[in-house]
Amino acid sequence: GAGVSQSPSNKVTEKGKDVELRCDPISGHTALYWYRQSLGQGLEFLIYFQGNSAPDKSGLPSDRFSAERTGGSVSTLTIQRTQQEDSAVYLCASSYLAANYGYTFGSGTRLTVV
Amino acid sequence: AQKITQTQPGMFVQEKEAVTLDCTYDTSDPSYGLFWYKQPSSGEMIFLIYQGSYDQQNATEGRYSLNFQKARKSANLVISASQLGDSAMYFCAMRDELISNFGNEKLTFGTGTRLTIIP
Repeated sequence: GAGVSQSPSNKVTEKGKDVELRCDPISGHTALYWYRQSLGQGLEFLIYFQGNSAPDKSGLPSDRFSAERTGGSVSTLTIQRTQQEDSAVYLCASSYLAANYGYTFGSGTRLTVV
Repeated sequence: AQKITQTQPGMFVQEKEAVTLDCTYDTSDPSYGLFWYKQPSSGEMIFLIYQGSYDQQNATEGRYSLNFQKARKSANLVISASQLGDSAMYFCAMRDELISNFGNEKLTFGTGTRLTIIP
């Protein structure tokens, strides 16, 4: 597609339930990043993919968070046993190697845990 | 570790005036890149401008320019002739550009400045 697509755009879930967030990057972009933006805060790095491998998972806040990428394309971020502090906007970005123009971001998934 | 500091949580500027958004950074990396992103109310992050740490000249992109002062570790964004559509959150970010870390262009972001342009 022309841009980075994320789904769903909004998700409300009950505390304790699992959620899956999807990111469809720009075709041909080998690098994919997940970030989290809590209300009024900057972006917090979660995980980086190069192709299907994740050489940097240093930002995942707990073992309830996991992510995978298949076919060097679509990525899924899974949060198990959601907590209220997981409420945030989850942003995905993709890039073609060391692009000076930075990444292309998606519009994000707003997750609300009630 | 890298750190970005944006000390202006909010700014109000009259339309058509120039505005400077402050950004200071801290890093021990000898090679790095600095970015500015705009986030309108729609939520999408829009890339504005990039400055490499070894670039001799300040970066410019249309009405945007980056006032890079390496010794002071500052990378302020200047928007000339502000427009109503410039109202948004603005984030400063940086990444390590060491060859050894090539391939992981992870960005570290500041907390942002909310800019409001007044008609």
